[in-house]
Amino acid sequence: AQTVTQSQPEMSVQEAETVTLSCTYDTSESDYYLFWYKQPPSRQMILVIRQEAYKQQNATENRFSVNFQKAAKSFSLKISDSQLGDAAMYFCAYSRGGSNYKLTFGKGTLLTVNP
Amino acid sequence: SQTIHQWPATLVQPVGSPLSLECTVEGTSNPNLYWYRQAAGRGLQLLFYSVGIGQISSEVPQNLSASRPQDRQFILSSKKLLLSDSGFYLCAWTKRANYGYTFGSGTRLTVV
Repeated sequence: AQTVTQSQPEMSVQEAETVTLSCTYDTSESDYYLFWYKQPPSRQMILVIRQEAYKQQNATENRFSVNFQKAAKSFSLKISDSQLGDAAMYFCAYSRGGSNYKLTFGKGTLLTVNP
Repeated sequence: SQTIHQWPATLVQPVGSPLSLECTVEGTSNPNLYWYRQAAGRGLQLLFYSVGIGQISSEVPQNLSASRPQDRQFILSSKKLLLSDSGFYLCAWTKRANYGYTFGSGTRLTVV
């Protein structure tokens, strides 16, 4: 079974600084998808960024970017110019191809942004 | 545009009472639908998923069941709630693996 590991239960960053959240996963598949979700105090799950495993180029969405290392099975999230609104729980997630599109989530990293 | 509605937002139920949580999706057809539970503080556990009307797959044997009576409606039920059923329940949908999920706003269930 696929597993997703987030080794940092909590992280903190100063406003305007950069922070990197780590994620590793275990899979024997070659075709899969990776995601980062944000869950603010409202508990609404928000998709931050996605990466297809067949793409070598790292995904970028404004201040959010990933470092996808397929051989190392690593998928870290970098947040640049951190803002107070970035404070949230961040979840890494993995989906194998196929018809059911199930997502397996890591346990999350709680990010605090200090003013 | 597609939207997902989940209700109720909050629910307090006594042990042994029944449960029905509902989730509906608008603006799309034949979505894959999912129920997740999030225990206090942490990760999401997949409970059920459905790839079509009447098709339900269970991931975790437990006190809950799910049904999909219509294409865009997904219901989570229990005949008799246990204390351990307390948690935050999230419904989600997707059409393709690379889309990721769109989540509902969740239901906070407290069994007392």
